[in-house]
Amino acid sequence: DIQMTQSPSSLSASVGDRVTVTCRAGQNIATYLNWYQQKPGKAPKLLIYAASTLQSGVPSRFSGSTSGTDFTLTISGLQPEDVASYYCQQSYRVPYTFGQGTKLEIK
Amino acid sequence: EVQLVESGGGLVQPGGSLRLSCAASGFTFSRHCMGWVRQAPGKGLEWVANIKADGSEKYHVDAVKGRFTISRDNAENSLYLQMNSLRAEDTAVYYCARIFLFERGGYFRHFDLWGRGAPVSVSS
Repeated sequence: DIQMTQSPSSLSASVGDRVTVTCRAGQNIATYLNWYQQKPGKAPKLLIYAASTLQSGVPSRFSGSTSGTDFTLTISGLQPEDVASYYCQQSYRVPYTFGQGTKLEIK
Repeated sequence: EVQLVESGGGLVQPGGSLRLSCAASGFTFSRHCMGWVRQAPGKGLEWVANIKADGSEKYHVDAVKGRFTISRDNAENSLYLQMNSLRAEDTAVYYCARIFLFERGGYFRHFDLWGRGAPVSVSS
């Protein structure tokens, strides 16, 4: 199975801050990497697919990038409604493993 | 409205069975691969199973192989998860999700539509 290591597990930031979440794949997965947002008590929501393509309707303050087997989700200008958990997921090969998640809070 | 609605969750004793259903509406169900993802209480997401659009191929995570089976009925726009020999560690919210598949030098997949989830509790 392809292990996805996500960091940090939690973080606290202020409104307007630039926030980054990192996901490292245990092997080469090219750009077969997706990012999801999950608000408390809700279903996950797709943010970014193929490592850097923004899903339709998602605010442009969200972006994704890649460098080798490291993937980054960036929120440029944190908003109160961004309080949520964020998960990466590889779709290179089954089982489609997820990262452990990052819980984002507002200071 | 484009949506997925799960049903069939509940409380079951260890060793028991449940069948989850997922009703799709607002899109051409038969054109999409589908999957199930679960989330144990206070834990992260875990992919459970996928099925191709025509039902010809199915994949399950090792933790449920031989106990769970994903299936679909395209005439009824429905996805199913038959869960047998349930264990306490299967306790979770089970999400039905649509897979968007596209080709860009390779075949990319992501879960682009999710249901609200069906809670399953395995306990005596």
